[in-house]
Amino acid sequence: TQLLEQSPQFLSIQEGENLTVYCNSSSVFSSLQWYRQEPGEGPVLLVTVVTGGEVKKLKRLTFQFGDARKDSSLHITAAQPGDTGLYLCAGLTYGQNFVFGPGTRLSVLP
Amino acid sequence: NAGVTQTPKFQVLKTGQSMTLQCAQDMNHNSMYWYRQDPGMGLRLIYYSASEGTTDKGEVPNGYNVSRLNKREFSLRLESAAPSQTSVYFCASSGRKMNTEAFFGQGTRLTVV
Repeated sequence: TQLLEQSPQFLSIQEGENLTVYCNSSSVFSSLQWYRQEPGEGPVLLVTVVTGGEVKKLKRLTFQFGDARKDSSLHITAAQPGDTGLYLCAGLTYGQNFVFGPGTRLSVLP
Repeated sequence: NAGVTQTPKFQVLKTGQSMTLQCAQDMNHNSMYWYRQDPGMGLRLIYYSASEGTTDKGEVPNGYNVSRLNKREFSLRLESAAPSQTSVYFCASSGRKMNTEAFFGQGTRLTVV
């Protein structure tokens, strides 16, 4: 069974602070993805990382893929209340299925 | 562009009742999925369909059945609902390109009393 773990499970910070959330896997996936989910909505893709060591930036969000392609991190600089939500990492298997981690629930207080 | 549409958005069932959750996508995707989301457990795959006419069990298929009616539609049926099936259900679809992404519906919040 391919599993993804995320930490921390919950994070509450003040506006303007930086934070990092982590995603660790017991397996290698075809690619690893980060999704963000807001209340009452389905998850929406933020980024896909494919190559070991890859770093991608999306405005204030920086995504890193570990060299062994089994772990990833999401760093948010100067968090804003609009960043509040559930962040999910997901691995795309070679059989084209998505395995999701349990998520990190982020709350950014104004 | 509607994307993935799920109905209903909310449902309350009594134990033992049956119901079907509907899902349709307009992106011409081959693959479709049903997940359930429970607090602290992320999204768990119930069933998936890699193409029209095929369905396969995921991680938690017990108590559910699915039908891939055509390329657009993938339904999830609960034959005899149980309180343990109280959850939020998401339908998703994806294309065939390498490192594709999943597109999700808005979810169905189901309560079984």
